[in-house]
Amino acid sequence: EDQVTQSPEALRLQEGESSSLNCSYTVSGLRGLFWYRQDPGKGPEFLFTLYSAGEEKEKERLKATLTKKESFLHITAPKPEDSATYLCAVQAWGGATNKLIFGTGTLLAVQP
Amino acid sequence: GAVVSQHPSRVICKSGTSVKIECRSLDFQATTMFWYRQFPKQSLMLMATSNEGSKATYEQGVEKDKFLINHASLTLSTLTVTSAHPEDSSFYICSALQGSNQPQHFGDGTRLSIL
Repeated sequence: EDQVTQSPEALRLQEGESSSLNCSYTVSGLRGLFWYRQDPGKGPEFLFTLYSAGEEKEKERLKATLTKKESFLHITAPKPEDSATYLCAVQAWGGATNKLIFGTGTLLAVQP
Repeated sequence: GAVVSQHPSRVICKSGTSVKIECRSLDFQATTMFWYRQFPKQSLMLMATSNEGSKATYEQGVEKDKFLINHASLTLSTLTVTSAHPEDSSFYICSALQGSNQPQHFGDGTRLSIL
């Protein structure tokens, strides 16, 4: 069964304290791995798509990487406005077209 | 670009009422839209996949007669929660797909509270 596990469940950082969020996945064949940011009471906001092991994507203070078993979202020198829940999702080959399987997310709090 | 609008953002109604939620892609055509449900501190659970002009595909355990989905155009899908009960209270979120190799773009969700 396709599965996505995110860790830690919650992370509290001081402003400027860099860290990484983990997304481990088990999927029959990875079509794509997606990172989203979700603010309270809002829908997820798209951040990155990764397709193959070794691929990296960057956006401002965020950098996403991908291996055959997991993805990391690195946050460099975070600011309070980076506080949100970060969701990871995978899309598998062979299943229902374009279906995403989500992890439970990491709640990030950045304190000034 | 890729803006998805969901309406209403919040609904509070009595048990037995039917509630309709709209999902619109504002600046692109979406052949496929998705409906999710999210409980507090839990992840998004896919309820159904909606394709324009055809019947929706429901996930296992989701009642088709309870959650009616209509995707009448390339920019609009609707979810109707029929005869809603307190256990239907949740955060419902839609997403729209711009293309087969594109990410899903999400609306801002609808908080449904059934009294």
